[in-house]
Amino acid sequence: GAVVSQHPSWVICKSGTSVKIECRSLDFQATTMFWYRQFPKQSLMLMATSNEGSKATYEQGVEKDKFLINHASLTLSTLTVTSAHPEDSSFYICSATGTGRTNEQFFGPGTRLTVL
Amino acid sequence: GQNIDQPTEMTATEGAIVQINCTYQTSGFNGLFWYQQHAGEAPTFLSYNVLDGLEEKGRFSSFLSRSKGYSYLLLKELQMKDSASYLCAVDNYGQNFVFGPGTRLSVLP
Repeated sequence: GAVVSQHPSWVICKSGTSVKIECRSLDFQATTMFWYRQFPKQSLMLMATSNEGSKATYEQGVEKDKFLINHASLTLSTLTVTSAHPEDSSFYICSATGTGRTNEQFFGPGTRLTVL
Repeated sequence: GQNIDQPTEMTATEGAIVQINCTYQTSGFNGLFWYQQHAGEAPTFLSYNVLDGLEEKGRFSSFLSRSKGYSYLLLKELQMKDSASYLCAVDNYGQNFVFGPGTRLSVLP
């Protein structure tokens, strides 16, 4: 149980285009979903936290107009990188928490974004 | 502020035991998680501690001392496949995790 999927697993796009990444909880309802970014040989950096039906809470330094998050249902959250630039190239990972004894986060497999 | 420290890199030999330390200073504490992450993959859950003491799960054990703001992950009978990054994360209330920088473990034959 507690499986989280992401799509696509990797994407290559041209500078200036927008890219949408989907995060789904497959077998549980996710009360909260998180979006992380990870650069090579670095740890996960939280970008934003989203709850179904409400606006996402962004971490300091993360541009909300550039990284659009939509948490439309209890099983789906999307991250759209708008007007992507090469410096946005990174590994993007989502995670989700559901109801349960702990606040364990279940991670998706990640999306490798390369902006040319 | 939030601060979590881990050694950046460690090296150990196959079959040996290795201890990865984590110290933390966070505004809140609702438990500490250890995750394993192989290069290019998402983190996978290893252990969770909320009370002081040792939690054992097979070859992996995790220890927590809340008064000292300290935890460690103990890996026994190391295998080559244990080469990975190990992330310490504190649940800082409000379902907000603070991740440490990660420790890259290399297991040598």
